[in-house]
Amino acid sequence: DAGITQSPRYKITETGRQVTLMCHQTWSHSYMFWYRQDLGHGLRLIYYSAAADITDKGEVPDGYVVSRSKTENFPLTLESATRSQTSVYFCASQKQGVLEAFFGQGTRLTVV
Amino acid sequence: QKEVEQNSGPLSVPEGAIASLNCTYSDRGSQSFFWYRQYSGKSPELIMSIYSNGDKEDGRFTAQLNKASQYVSLLIRDSQPSDSATYLCALRPKAAGNKLTFGGGTRVLVKP
Repeated sequence: DAGITQSPRYKITETGRQVTLMCHQTWSHSYMFWYRQDLGHGLRLIYYSAAADITDKGEVPDGYVVSRSKTENFPLTLESATRSQTSVYFCASQKQGVLEAFFGQGTRLTVV
Repeated sequence: QKEVEQNSGPLSVPEGAIASLNCTYSDRGSQSFFWYRQYSGKSPELIMSIYSNGDKEDGRFTAQLNKASQYVSLLIRDSQPSDSATYLCALRPKAAGNKLTFGGGTRVLVKP
C-alpha cells in the first residue's frame, strides 16, 4: 500500500531553470493538493485539483503550473525557478465524500 | 487577522503531564477541523478530526471544539517524549470547498 508518494525527495536547481515535482497516489482519491511550507508562513496552498483535468489556484499560485491528466498523478512545475521558491513542498490527497486529507513525504527544493 | 491562529511555542511539558494546545479561527462558517502532528523533517500526519461542538477522544488525545467562541483545542494526556513535535491546526472555511487552511503550528517539547 504505497499511498501517496512524492519525487524527488530533495532537489537543488538553479535560478531560471524549470523543475517539476511529482506526486503519485494509489488510492484513486479525487482531490489532490500542493502546499508549500516555509518558516513563518506555515502551510500554504499553491494549487488543487478536484478530479482529472480540473485544477484551480490556491493562495500562492504565481510561478507554478499544474496538470492532472490522470487521477493518480498531480505534477507541480516551476516554470522559471526563483530563490523565493526555495521551500518544502507537500502533496496531499483526499477521497471524495471524506473530509480528511493525507500528505506525501514532501520534497525539499533549494533554488540557488 | 490570520484565518487560523496558534501560539508558536515551544510548549514545554513534563513527561506524564497534560499538554494543552489552542487554535482560534476567524471564519464562523468553518465546519470541519483537524489536528496534524508533524515531526521535524517529516510530513504532517492526521491525528484528530472534529466536526461538532464538544469533545472527541481518541486514546491519549482529546479534541475540543467550541464554534460559538471560534476555538478548537487539543489535549495530550500522559505526554511522552515521542509526542515532541509541531501540532498543526487546520480547518475548512465555509467558502473554501475542500481546501484546508492551516495555522502556523505549535511546537511541543516533552521533557523526561
